[in-house]
Amino acid sequence: AQKVTQAQTEISVVEKEDVTLDCVYETRDTTYYLFWYKQPPSGELVFLIRRNSFDEQNEISGRYSWNFQKSTSSFNFTITASQVVDSAVYFCALSEALLSGGSYIPTFGRGTSLIVHP
Amino acid sequence: KAGVTQTPRYLIKTRGQQVTLSCSPISGHRSVSWYQQTPGQGLQFLFEYFSETQRNKGNFPGRFSGRQFSNSRSEMNVSTLELGDSALYLCASSLTGTGAHEQYFGPGTRLTVT
Repeated sequence: AQKVTQAQTEISVVEKEDVTLDCVYETRDTTYYLFWYKQPPSGELVFLIRRNSFDEQNEISGRYSWNFQKSTSSFNFTITASQVVDSAVYFCALSEALLSGGSYIPTFGRGTSLIVHP
Repeated sequence: KAGVTQTPRYLIKTRGQQVTLSCSPISGHRSVSWYQQTPGQGLQFLFEYFSETQRNKGNFPGRFSGRQFSNSRSEMNVSTLELGDSALYLCASSLTGTGAHEQYFGPGTRLTVT
């Protein structure tokens, strides 16, 4: 079984604040993939990042950065100097291979709603 | 490159009816997956099609079915609609597969069952 926990249901910040969205996952597989997606009010999920279980290197993309720690089973997402346009629901997802077939099916966390006030 | 398109965007149906939703993936993408999103259950995987074959299926009743055509376009069908089927149905396409690679989502079809 796999599970993704995004304990923060909603976060409210003021523009230019830094904010970290937490994601904790559970898996018994050694090979798995982690993702972050953004869902703005329009409804369309937008892919942000993909990580495989063998790559623990942190990544920075502009104001976005990701911290992957296998020791704590966490894949946290930080937005630096938040902007109003960052307001959205952010989903963390985990894909692990099924016990048979080797196919990967993603499980999404419940999402964290980020509200950035001007 | 055009993104994933879904039609219709909004749909209102009556309990007991059936509905068909359509999804056109990004050109060149062979994998199409469907998800149901509700406030109560969140985002749940319905099924994935790859090269016209259903490759994976989530934990949904048989009333939910789908298919994929040779041009990779996909349809999903829900028969005997129930009130609980009211949801945002999202389609996502991927180059080679659902779980191991990033997916590109469409805007969704908002289904309301009355």
